[in-house]
Amino acid sequence: QVHLQQWGAGLLKPSETLSLTCAVYGGSFSDYSWNWIRQSPEKGLEWIAEIDHRGATSYNPSLKSRFTVSVDTSKNQFSLRARSVTAADTATYFCARARRQFGGIVAMSLTYYHYMDVWSKGTTVTVSS
Amino acid sequence: DIPVTQSPSTLSASVGDRVTITCRASESISTWLAWYQQKPGTAPKLLIYKASTLESGVPSRFSGGGSGTEFILTISNLQPDDFATYYCQQYKSSYTFGQGTKLEIK
Repeated sequence: QVHLQQWGAGLLKPSETLSLTCAVYGGSFSDYSWNWIRQSPEKGLEWIAEIDHRGATSYNPSLKSRFTVSVDTSKNQFSLRARSVTAADTATYFCARARRQFGGIVAMSLTYYHYMDVWSKGTTVTVSS
Repeated sequence: DIPVTQSPSTLSASVGDRVTITCRASESISTWLAWYQQKPGTAPKLLIYKASTLESGVPSRFSGGGSGTEFILTISNLQPDDFATYYCQQYKSSYTFGQGTKLEIK
């Protein structure tokens, strides 16, 4: 049974760098994509970024370029970094596995869609001076 | 981004009731929609994917339907454990979540 365990600093000052890591225990690492999502009372659930085992990434364009995801396949881990945090980054951060579904052939290319099926317990990150 | 909007924001019901939550997408997402249940202090739990497919282990009193821009989550014969917040999520283009529907005990 797959289990996601995350860790990282929970209290940051404005302008510091947020750094979280998520370890995957059990199951395949390469058959899924791996995501970071955050939740705050102000914005609700907000997807941040996704990465696969090859290092291919996608990001929420509304979060600009402050976030970076990376993967370490030797440890079955993936990480999130965000530079120059502000109070608006205060939230509970979750890592989650995304399962792939075949979506057909579009423009002669195989298309897949992913939905999040396993989540970590989450880490509360507070940004305060 | 494809915004999704849920209604109602809050729903009061009793054990044994049947309730329906609606999710609307700003453009067609076919059936690329998931539903999650979240209880305070815990992570969202997947209930349904591809609009109507029940995740393994989820009770059959949960059901989903719809396609295109309008979707519903139905919970029949409400049990005490079902009082929680429910979210829809589209995954056709990136990922966006609805704002949530809090299901309260009447």
